[in-house]
Amino acid sequence: KNEVEQSPQNLTAQEGEFITINCSYSVGISALHWLQQHPGGGIVSLFMLSSGKKKHGRLIATINIQEKHSSLHITASHPRDSAVYICAVGLYGGATNKLIFGTGTLLAVQP
Amino acid sequence: DAGVTQSPTHLIKTRGQQVTLRCSPKSGHDTVSWYQQALGQGPQFIFQYYEEEERQRGNFPDRFSGHQFPNYSSELNVNALLLGDSALYLCASSAGLAGYNEQFFGPGTRLTVL
Repeated sequence: KNEVEQSPQNLTAQEGEFITINCSYSVGISALHWLQQHPGGGIVSLFMLSSGKKKHGRLIATINIQEKHSSLHITASHPRDSAVYICAVGLYGGATNKLIFGTGTLLAVQP
Repeated sequence: DAGVTQSPTHLIKTRGQQVTLRCSPKSGHDTVSWYQQALGQGPQFIFQYYEEEERQRGNFPDRFSGHQFPNYSSELNVNALLLGDSALYLCASSAGLAGYNEQFFGPGTRLTVL
C-alpha cells in the first residue's frame, strides 16, 4: 500500500462545477503539499499546510491531521484548471524534507 | 528571481551512455532534492544535497550519483543508462532541511533513453 493515496485517479468535470480531490496518508508528516503539473511540464506548488485550511483564489485546501486526510477543492472550475494535481507529504522528524508523492489526479474541465 | 532552473530541458541518450543533469536552486536556497517521475507516475525521491553532502538517498542504484557545488547548484549523474531510466527528472530547492520549509520545483529535464 502506498504511503500517500489519492482519489480519484481521473476526474472529468464541466466548467463551473465544484471539484474535490482527496488525499490520504499513512505516515507522520511535518507538512502536506498540493502541487499542480500541466502535461509535459514542471511542478508548481499550490499549498503547503500542516493544519486547518488555506485558500488562494478559487482553490481551497484542508487537512485533518487526526484522520490523516486532506482535500483540495476547486470552486467554479475552468478549462484552464485542467492538469494533474499531486498530493505530497514531508515526513515528520529526521534531517530531511524529502517528499513522498501520490500518483496524482488527472483533472479535465470541459467547456 | 529566476526560481529553480534546470538544464537541459530535453535529452536523448542511448543505452549504456552516461548523462549529467544540472540544477540551480532558487536564490537564497541551499538544499537541493532530485526526483524521478516516470510517465503516469508520481515523482520518486532520488537523493538530497545540503552543505555539499548527500543527506538522504532514496531507493536508487549506485548508477545514480550527484554533487552539490559551493554555490548550491547541483548535478545528477546517471551511468550505464537503461531504457527504464527514461523519465522526467525534477529538481526541488528549499532553504534548509526542515519539513516546514517550502520547496520550489524546476521545470524538469525530460530524458529519453533509446
